[in-house]
Amino acid sequence: DADVTQTPRNRITKTGKRIMLECSQTKGHDRMYWYRQDPGLGLRLIYYSFDVKDINKGEISDGYSVSRQAQAKFSLSLESAIPNQTALYFCATSDAPGSSGDYNEQFFGPGTRLTVL
Amino acid sequence: AQSVTQLGSHVSVSEGALVLLRCNYSSSVPPYLFWYVQYPNQGLQLLLKYTSAATLVKGINGFEAEFKKSETSFHLTKPSAHMSDAAEYFCAVSAPYSTLTFGKGTMLLVSP
Repeated sequence: DADVTQTPRNRITKTGKRIMLECSQTKGHDRMYWYRQDPGLGLRLIYYSFDVKDINKGEISDGYSVSRQAQAKFSLSLESAIPNQTALYFCATSDAPGSSGDYNEQFFGPGTRLTVL
Repeated sequence: AQSVTQLGSHVSVSEGALVLLRCNYSSSVPPYLFWYVQYPNQGLQLLLKYTSAATLVKGINGFEAEFKKSETSFHLTKPSAHMSDAAEYFCAVSAPYSTLTFGKGTMLLVSP
């Protein structure tokens, strides 16, 4: 079974609809992240959470919100989807700093392809 | 703040040729550096990482990268390209206790 799973894998929706993308992990990591990928722009950080009670905005948080329901679950919501939110969305996890340092190696889910019409 | 510049959005090589993907970084503190690979319709997979130990880092699938502080570079190389290496490659930088910042990616095309 995959360590980081995302649901749904594909979603087509209409402008103005509320959408939730879900991420679950079995790696036991404290830290979770949401990114969006657009062709030619790489990955850009939307939100991140270093533990269940911690939520932080990333580079491009406008139009998005998140919920950290448990250590293993981190959801991304688009309150009112718009066409320029059409993208590939990735969830990632990483471990908390250990005795050997904080390398921030991240482990990625398979992605959710979202199309907003 | 950190930033990454990947030179060349597309790189084309022939099978068996040297692969060189360029990455330059900017960081106000000693960085951690990563190369990730993304195969079609998949998530990102870590190829290798530099974490202030050896400057020449070996990764999976025959790839390696050398950290050069004086040049602020972390270029990815492989002596002989294989068709299965065709993918998009991302360089990323992180400061200690900070988040990852990704480059825009380089698509590697391998021709027979």
